[in-house]
Parts: sequence; structure tokens; C-alpha cells
Amino acid sequence: EDQVTQSPEALRLQEGESSSLNCSYTVSGLRGLFWYRQDPGKGPEFLFTLYSAGEEKEKERLKATLTKKESFLHITAPKPEDSATYLCAVRNYGQNFVFGPGTRLSVLP
Amino acid sequence: EAQVTQNPRYLITVTGKKLTVTCSQNMNHEYMSWYRQDPGLGLRQIYYSMNVEVTDKGDVPEGYKVSRKEKRNFPLILESPSPNQTSLYFCASSLSGQGTLYEQYFGPGTRLTVT
Repeated sequence: EDQVTQSPEALRLQEGESSSLNCSYTVSGLRGLFWYRQDPGKGPEFLFTLYSAGEEKEKERLKATLTKKESFLHITAPKPEDSATYLCAVRNYGQNFVFGPGTRLSVLP
Repeated sequence: EAQVTQNPRYLITVTGKKLTVTCSQNMNHEYMSWYRQDPGLGLRQIYYSMNVEVTDKGDVPEGYKVSRKEKRNFPLILESPSPNQTSLYFCASSLSGQGTLYEQYFGPGTRLTVT
């Protein structure tokens, strides 16, 4: 059974304090790994897709990396507006998606 | 504006009273999907549709029905809602479910309470 776990469950950072979020997965066949951002009361918003081990993608203060067993979302010099829940999801060679429970990030000014 | 819309946004109902949550997208997307989100469990896929008249079960389909008669619409039907279906529901769409892997766009969510 495909499974996605994320750690930590919650993370509190000071503005400018860099850190990483972890997404560990087991999947029968990985077609792609997605990162989403979700603000309270809203639907998830797409950030990145990673397809194969070794791949990296960047967007502003965020950088996503992928290995064969896990993905990291690195946040460099975060700002309060980066506060949100970050979701990781995998797509297998079937047609469905499996999401992790998310990491709730708070960035304090 | 490209978007996924859901209605209603909030719904309180009683056990056993049939309800439908509508979902519509204006991006000509082939793939549409329904999720429920519960604290500590994350998003779980209920049903998905690869295209018109093509639907399939996700991880938690029990107690739900869907139909895809038009490309833009993908309603979620609860024939006899129960309290364990109290949740936050999201509809999502993407350009295609096959070939190139496209990201999903999510609607704003429907908060359902079944008493």
C-alpha cells in the first residue's frame, strides 16, 4: 500500500531561520512527487513536481529535492508570509494520488 | 479567471438526507477528483475521473457516488450521509491524468457537518 509520512508535524521558526521539511514515501511505482501549500480555510496551492531521484526545483525561498525514499522542502530565510501547512503527495502508476498529513509551519516576526 | 468552484461552501445536514456537492472547472481539464480532509489524516482521495463517463474509486469511496456527464462538472453525491462523513471536501482538476504529469488545481473546499 502506498504511504506518505511528513515530519515534523509542526515547526515554529523565527523570521530568517532556515530549515527543512521532510516527506518520506513508499510507493509501488513513483510517477511523480508533488508539494503543495495550504493556507487556513483554503484549497491546496501547487508548488512543485519532482519526477526522479536527484531532481531539484526552486521557487523564491523554497527548494524541493528528491531521493528514492524521501523528499525535502528547504526554506531559506523564511518570512511570516511563508506560514502555512505544506503537503506532500505521490502519484503512482495507477491514477490516484496519496497525500501526507502535512507540516504546519509558523514563521514568527 | 481559471478556477475550480464548489457549492455549497458550508453545509449542515442530518443523517440520511441525500445531498449533492457540485464541482465545476473552466479550464477544459480532463482529470477531476474529490478528496476529503480530516485532522491528522491528510487529504484522502474519494473518487476520480479521467474524462467524461470515466470514473474510478480512490482510497475511501464508501458512502459516496460521482458522475461525469460533462467535462466541466463532477458532482459528489452522498445518498445517505452519516456523521462519519463530516469533513472538509475538496474538488480538484488537472489537464490530464495520463501521459505528462500535470499538477492539480483545487477548489476552495466544502465544509460538511452531518448531525
